[in-house]
Amino acid sequence: NAGVTQTPKFRILKIGQSMTLQCTQDMNHNYMYWYRQDPGMGLKLIYYSVGAGITDKGEVPNGYNVSRSTTEDFPLRLELAAPSQTSVYFCASSPDKSSYEQYFGPGTRLTVT
Amino acid sequence: AQSVTQLDSQVPVFEEAPVELRCNYSSSVSVYLFWYVQYPNQGLQLLLKYLSGSTLVESINGFEAEFNKSQTSFHLRKPSVHISDTAEYFCAVRPIYNQGGKLIFGQGTELSVKP
Repeated sequence: NAGVTQTPKFRILKIGQSMTLQCTQDMNHNYMYWYRQDPGMGLKLIYYSVGAGITDKGEVPNGYNVSRSTTEDFPLRLELAAPSQTSVYFCASSPDKSSYEQYFGPGTRLTVT
Repeated sequence: AQSVTQLDSQVPVFEEAPVELRCNYSSSVSVYLFWYVQYPNQGLQLLLKYLSGSTLVESINGFEAEFNKSQTSFHLRKPSVHISDTAEYFCAVRPIYNQGGKLIFGQGTELSVKP
Protein backbone atom coordinates (compact mmCIF):
# COMPACT_ATOMS: atom_id res chain seq x y z
CA ASN A 1 0.00 0.00 0.00
CA ALA A 2 1.90 3.04 -1.29
CA GLY A 3 -0.56 5.70 -0.03
CA VAL A 4 -0.21 9.01 -1.87
CA THR A 5 2.60 9.22 -4.42
CA GLN A 6 3.80 12.32 -6.25
CA THR A 7 6.09 12.74 -9.24
CA PRO A 8 8.50 14.30 -9.88
CA LYS A 9 10.27 14.96 -6.56
CA PHE A 10 12.13 17.97 -7.96
CA ARG A 11 11.81 20.08 -11.09
CA ILE A 12 13.29 23.26 -12.46
CA LEU A 13 11.23 25.16 -15.03
CA LYS A 14 11.97 28.19 -17.10
CA ILE A 15 9.53 31.08 -17.08
CA GLY A 16 6.70 30.42 -19.51
CA GLN A 17 7.12 26.66 -19.62
CA SER A 18 4.32 24.35 -18.57
CA MET A 19 4.26 21.06 -16.71
CA THR A 20 2.01 18.59 -14.92
CA LEU A 21 2.57 17.45 -11.36
CA GLN A 22 1.30 13.93 -10.91
CA CYS A 23 -0.54 12.63 -7.85
CA THR A 24 -1.85 9.10 -7.36
CA GLN A 25 -3.45 7.43 -4.36
CA ASP A 26 -4.20 3.75 -3.94
CA MET A 27 -6.53 4.00 -0.95
CA ASN A 28 -9.74 4.49 -2.96
CA HIS A 29 -10.23 7.92 -1.40
CA ASN A 30 -12.89 10.14 -2.90
CA TYR A 31 -11.45 13.47 -1.73
CA MET A 32 -8.16 14.82 -3.05
CA TYR A 33 -6.37 18.12 -2.54
CA TRP A 34 -3.48 20.15 -3.88
CA TYR A 35 -1.59 22.51 -1.57
CA ARG A 36 1.41 24.73 -2.00
CA GLN A 37 3.82 25.38 0.87
CA ASP A 38 5.87 28.54 1.01
CA PRO A 39 8.33 29.36 3.83
CA GLY A 40 6.60 31.09 6.73
CA MET A 41 3.21 30.89 5.01
CA GLY A 42 1.96 27.43 5.90
CA LEU A 43 -0.02 25.48 3.32
CA LYS A 44 -2.50 27.08 0.97
CA LEU A 45 -5.17 25.07 -0.85
CA ILE A 46 -4.98 25.34 -4.64
CA TYR A 47 -7.72 22.98 -5.83
CA TYR A 48 -9.65 20.07 -4.45
CA SER A 49 -11.90 17.29 -5.73
CA VAL A 50 -14.70 15.38 -4.00
CA GLY A 51 -14.82 12.64 -6.62
CA ALA A 52 -14.05 11.71 -10.19
CA GLY A 53 -15.22 14.45 -12.52
CA ILE A 54 -15.74 17.01 -9.74
CA THR A 55 -13.20 19.71 -8.94
CA ASP A 56 -13.35 23.09 -7.24
CA LYS A 57 -11.08 26.03 -6.53
CA GLY A 58 -9.30 26.54 -3.26
CA GLU A 59 -7.67 29.64 -1.87
CA VAL A 60 -4.97 30.20 -4.51
CA PRO A 61 -6.08 28.66 -7.86
CA ASN A 62 -4.75 31.28 -10.29
CA GLY A 63 -2.17 29.89 -12.71
CA TYR A 64 -3.17 26.27 -12.14
CA ASN A 65 -5.60 23.74 -13.55
CA VAL A 66 -6.70 20.31 -12.43
CA SER A 67 -8.67 17.36 -13.71
CA ARG A 68 -10.01 14.22 -12.03
CA SER A 69 -10.88 11.55 -14.56
CA THR A 70 -10.31 8.64 -12.16
CA THR A 71 -10.57 8.13 -8.40
CA GLU A 72 -6.84 7.43 -8.17
CA ASP A 73 -5.30 10.36 -10.08
CA PHE A 74 -5.43 14.10 -9.52
CA PRO A 75 -2.86 15.89 -11.72
CA LEU A 76 -2.05 19.57 -11.29
CA ARG A 77 -1.22 21.53 -14.44
CA LEU A 78 0.90 24.68 -14.49
CA GLU A 79 0.53 26.75 -17.65
CA LEU A 80 3.00 29.56 -18.34
CA ALA A 81 5.10 29.04 -15.23
CA ALA A 82 6.04 32.15 -13.26
CA PRO A 83 8.65 32.70 -10.50
CA SER A 84 5.78 33.17 -8.03
CA GLN A 85 4.96 29.50 -8.53
CA THR A 86 8.27 28.44 -7.02
CA SER A 87 7.12 26.37 -4.07
CA VAL A 88 6.73 22.89 -2.61
CA TYR A 89 3.53 21.22 -3.77
CA PHE A 90 1.71 18.62 -1.70
CA CYS A 91 -1.08 16.35 -2.76
CA ALA A 92 -3.37 14.87 -0.11
CA SER A 93 -6.36 12.57 0.01
CA SER A 94 -9.18 11.71 2.38
CA PRO A 95 -11.84 8.99 2.25
CA ASP A 96 -14.84 11.33 2.39
CA LYS A 97 -16.19 14.37 4.21
CA SER A 98 -16.78 12.42 7.41
CA SER A 99 -13.08 11.53 7.68
CA TYR A 100 -11.06 13.96 9.74
CA GLU A 101 -7.60 13.05 8.48
CA GLN A 102 -5.90 13.98 5.24
CA TYR A 103 -3.06 11.76 3.99
CA PHE A 104 -0.21 13.64 2.37
CA GLY A 105 2.25 12.72 -0.33
CA PRO A 106 5.98 13.46 -0.03
CA GLY A 107 5.80 16.65 -2.08
CA THR A 108 7.25 18.09 -5.30
CA ARG A 109 9.80 20.89 -5.05
CA LEU A 110 9.39 23.22 -8.04
CA THR A 111 11.70 26.09 -8.97
CA VAL A 112 10.79 28.52 -11.74
CA THR A 113 13.67 30.67 -13.02
CA ALA B 1 -13.76 33.01 7.01
CA GLN B 2 -11.24 31.30 9.23
CA SER B 3 -7.65 32.09 10.06
CA VAL B 4 -4.97 30.38 12.13
CA THR B 5 -2.03 32.08 13.79
CA GLN B 6 0.94 30.21 15.17
CA LEU B 7 2.65 32.62 17.46
CA ASP B 8 6.21 31.28 17.16
CA SER B 9 7.95 30.57 13.87
CA GLN B 10 10.89 28.80 15.56
CA VAL B 11 11.22 27.14 18.95
CA PRO B 12 14.66 25.85 19.97
CA VAL B 13 14.76 23.66 23.08
CA PHE B 14 17.14 21.24 24.74
CA GLU B 15 16.42 17.55 24.89
CA GLU B 16 14.21 16.49 27.84
CA ALA B 17 12.92 20.06 28.33
CA PRO B 18 9.19 20.84 28.14
CA VAL B 19 7.82 22.67 25.13
CA GLU B 20 4.67 24.54 24.17
CA LEU B 21 3.77 25.49 20.60
CA ARG B 22 1.06 28.12 20.51
CA CYS B 23 -1.89 28.27 18.14
CA ASN B 24 -4.78 30.73 18.03
CA TYR B 25 -7.61 30.69 15.55
CA SER B 26 -10.40 32.94 14.38
CA SER B 27 -13.71 31.66 13.07
CA SER B 28 -17.34 32.79 13.03
CA VAL B 29 -18.48 29.14 12.97
CA SER B 30 -17.60 26.07 15.00
CA VAL B 31 -14.47 24.28 13.89
CA TYR B 32 -12.55 21.07 14.31
CA LEU B 33 -8.89 21.55 15.28
CA PHE B 34 -5.81 19.64 14.25
CA TRP B 35 -2.05 19.49 14.70
CA TYR B 36 -0.03 18.06 11.82
CA VAL B 37 3.72 17.30 11.94
CA GLN B 38 6.17 17.44 9.04
CA TYR B 39 9.49 15.68 9.49
CA PRO B 40 12.36 16.83 7.26
CA ASN B 41 11.79 16.09 3.56
CA GLN B 42 8.46 14.38 4.20
CA GLY B 43 4.77 15.14 3.82
CA LEU B 44 2.52 16.10 6.71
CA GLN B 45 1.13 13.55 9.18
CA LEU B 46 -1.78 14.00 11.56
CA LEU B 47 -0.53 14.30 15.13
CA LEU B 48 -3.79 14.82 17.00
CA LYS B 49 -7.24 16.29 16.60
CA TYR B 50 -10.06 17.83 18.61
CA LEU B 51 -13.57 17.10 17.39
CA SER B 52 -15.73 17.25 20.52
CA GLY B 53 -15.84 16.09 24.13
CA SER B 54 -12.83 16.37 26.43
CA THR B 55 -10.88 19.50 25.64
CA LEU B 56 -7.56 17.74 26.28
CA VAL B 57 -6.43 15.42 23.50
CA GLU B 58 -3.29 13.29 23.38
CA SER B 59 -1.10 11.69 20.73
CA ILE B 60 0.62 8.32 20.94
CA ASN B 61 4.08 9.91 21.23
CA GLY B 62 3.45 12.06 24.29
CA PHE B 63 2.14 15.30 22.81
CA GLU B 64 -1.08 16.82 24.09
CA ALA B 65 -3.18 19.80 23.09
CA GLU B 66 -5.93 21.63 24.92
CA PHE B 67 -8.85 23.32 23.23
CA ASN B 68 -9.76 26.59 24.90
CA LYS B 69 -12.94 27.97 23.36
CA SER B 70 -12.96 31.27 25.26
CA GLN B 71 -9.41 32.06 24.18
CA THR B 72 -9.82 30.40 20.75
CA SER B 73 -6.57 28.54 21.27
CA PHE B 74 -5.27 25.02 20.72
CA HIS B 75 -1.75 24.96 22.13
CA LEU B 76 0.45 21.88 21.74
CA ARG B 77 2.60 20.69 24.65
CA LYS B 78 5.05 17.98 25.52
CA PRO B 79 6.58 17.62 29.00
CA SER B 80 9.89 16.20 27.77
CA VAL B 81 11.06 16.38 24.15
CA HIS B 82 13.40 14.06 22.26
CA ILE B 83 15.79 14.76 19.42
CA SER B 84 13.38 12.83 17.17
CA ASP B 85 10.67 15.47 17.80
CA THR B 86 12.61 17.91 15.63
CA ALA B 87 10.13 18.81 12.89
CA GLU B 88 7.77 21.52 11.70
CA TYR B 89 4.36 21.58 13.36
CA PHE B 90 1.22 22.97 11.75
CA CYS B 91 -2.00 23.91 13.47
CA ALA B 92 -5.11 23.69 11.27
CA VAL B 93 -8.86 24.20 11.53
CA ARG B 94 -11.78 22.90 9.54
CA PRO B 95 -15.30 24.32 9.80
CA ILE B 96 -17.68 21.67 11.06
CA TYR B 97 -20.11 22.25 8.20
CA ASN B 98 -17.55 22.32 5.44
CA GLN B 99 -18.07 20.90 2.01
CA GLY B 100 -14.91 19.25 0.79
CA GLY B 101 -13.24 18.87 4.18
CA LYS B 102 -10.94 21.80 3.50
CA LEU B 103 -8.26 22.63 6.07
CA ILE B 104 -6.96 26.10 6.91
CA PHE B 105 -3.37 25.95 8.12
CA GLY B 106 -1.27 28.21 10.28
CA GLN B 107 2.19 29.34 9.22
CA GLY B 108 4.00 26.52 10.99
CA THR B 109 6.38 26.33 13.95
CA GLU B 110 9.81 24.82 13.52
CA LEU B 111 10.74 22.84 16.63
CA SER B 112 14.46 22.23 16.96
CA VAL B 113 15.55 19.91 19.78
CA LYS B 114 19.21 20.13 20.71
CA PRO B 115 21.23 17.62 22.73
